[in-house]
Amino acid sequence: KQEVTQIPAALSVPEGENLVLNCSFTDSAIYNLQWFRQDPGKGLTSLLLIQSSQREQTSGRLNASLDKSSGRSTLYIAASQPGDSATYLCAVVNSNSGYALNFGKGTSLLVTP
Amino acid sequence: SAVISQKPSRDICQRGTSLTIQCQVDSQVTMMFWYRQQPGQSLTLIATANQGSEATYESGFVIDKFPISRPNLTFSTLTVSNMSPEDSSIYLCSADGGTAGNTIYFGEGSWLTVV
Repeated sequence: KQEVTQIPAALSVPEGENLVLNCSFTDSAIYNLQWFRQDPGKGLTSLLLIQSSQREQTSGRLNASLDKSSGRSTLYIAASQPGDSATYLCAVVNSNSGYALNFGKGTSLLVTP
Repeated sequence: SAVISQKPSRDICQRGTSLTIQCQVDSQVTMMFWYRQQPGQSLTLIATANQGSEATYESGFVIDKFPISRPNLTFSTLTVSNMSPEDSSIYLCSADGGTAGNTIYFGEGSWLTVV
């Protein structure tokens, strides 16, 4: 059974800092990995999707990397802003499970002005 | 991309009643899913909504409790039956981007509180 772990569970940083969120998964036979953002009481917003054959994806100040063989992904946020405050969720799709996403518990990020 | 609308967005329900959540996608999608997010927890897949056939349920979820319909490629419903306080959760509808391996998109969620 795929298990996804995110570290740290919570993080507080001052505005302007660069930061890294970590995600690990136990079964490396994945189809892809996706990072989401969830604001309080809201649904999920997709940030980045990395296919199993890719090493990284970038969107604006966000960069996600994937090391499938070691079961790890990182989400790098450059020059953090208070608007980045949210919960960040990592999810993987197993190769043999169609489209179903296996989620980690998330990292709650607070960026202070 | 896909824009997903869910309703209701929030509701307070009486114990023992049932509530149906609707999910509408702005384009035809292959796969639609229903997830549950209990307070303080991450998301758990309830079932895959299959167009024209019965939904595929994950371990721990059964059709009698969570009947699902998917009459076409853009619409699905999830009913939470005979609700108890333990069913208080956010229920989220999601869909693929229309092509295998594409981004999975989510609705805003339906926040149910059972009293």
